[in-house]
Amino acid sequence: DVKVTQSSRYLVKRTGEKVFLECVQDMDHENMFWYRQDPGLGLRLIYFSYDVKMKEKGDIPEGYSVSREKKERFSLILESASTNQTSMYLCASSRGPAQETQYFGPGTRLLVL
Amino acid sequence: GEDVEQSLFLSVREGDSSVINCTYTDSSSTYLYWYKQEPGAGLQLLTYIFSNMDMKQDQRLTVLLNKKDKHLSLRIADTQTGDSAIYFCAQNRGSTLGRLYFGRGTQLTVWP
Repeated sequence: DVKVTQSSRYLVKRTGEKVFLECVQDMDHENMFWYRQDPGLGLRLIYFSYDVKMKEKGDIPEGYSVSREKKERFSLILESASTNQTSMYLCASSRGPAQETQYFGPGTRLLVL
Repeated sequence: GEDVEQSLFLSVREGDSSVINCTYTDSSSTYLYWYKQEPGAGLQLLTYIFSNMDMKQDQRLTVLLNKKDKHLSLRIADTQTGDSAIYFCAQNRGSTLGRLYFGRGTQLTVWP
């Protein structure tokens, strides 16, 4: 079974802090994704990566950056957290082109005070 | 506007069938998916259908695909309280580096 893990289930940070959310997958998947989920808005794609050190902006990249130094790990960085970044963050991975089924981690609920 | 649309809420009685509907605009999909999200959890792949199929059945789940109308549905037979969750439909599209496009999700509430 594919396993996608996220470093924290719950996180509380202060405005202006630098925040790192970590995601690890154990199935040698090429693609990894970061979404945020807000009530009534569904899933919105922040960034994704299709290879090590490669990244693509999603629909809402502003205020976020990402890092993929190793194939199994994809990090989401909030350079200076703001209250409007309070949300549920979901990581996913997929095998690669033509095999796009995504497998999700359990999510990190981030509260920025 | 929305490229993948779902109604936001559906309520059914335990034992009844539930039908969750999804419409999409992009016809380049090779796969369409249904995911389930239970409270406080990530998304779990429920089922998927290849675009050259009209129907797929998996135990209590039936997926119908109408490519002409760009309409996807998920029918859950004998709905149970444990089926209460948010259901997302999603599609892939050509040349998008493996990205999926999700609807906003349908909150299914099952009443005992």
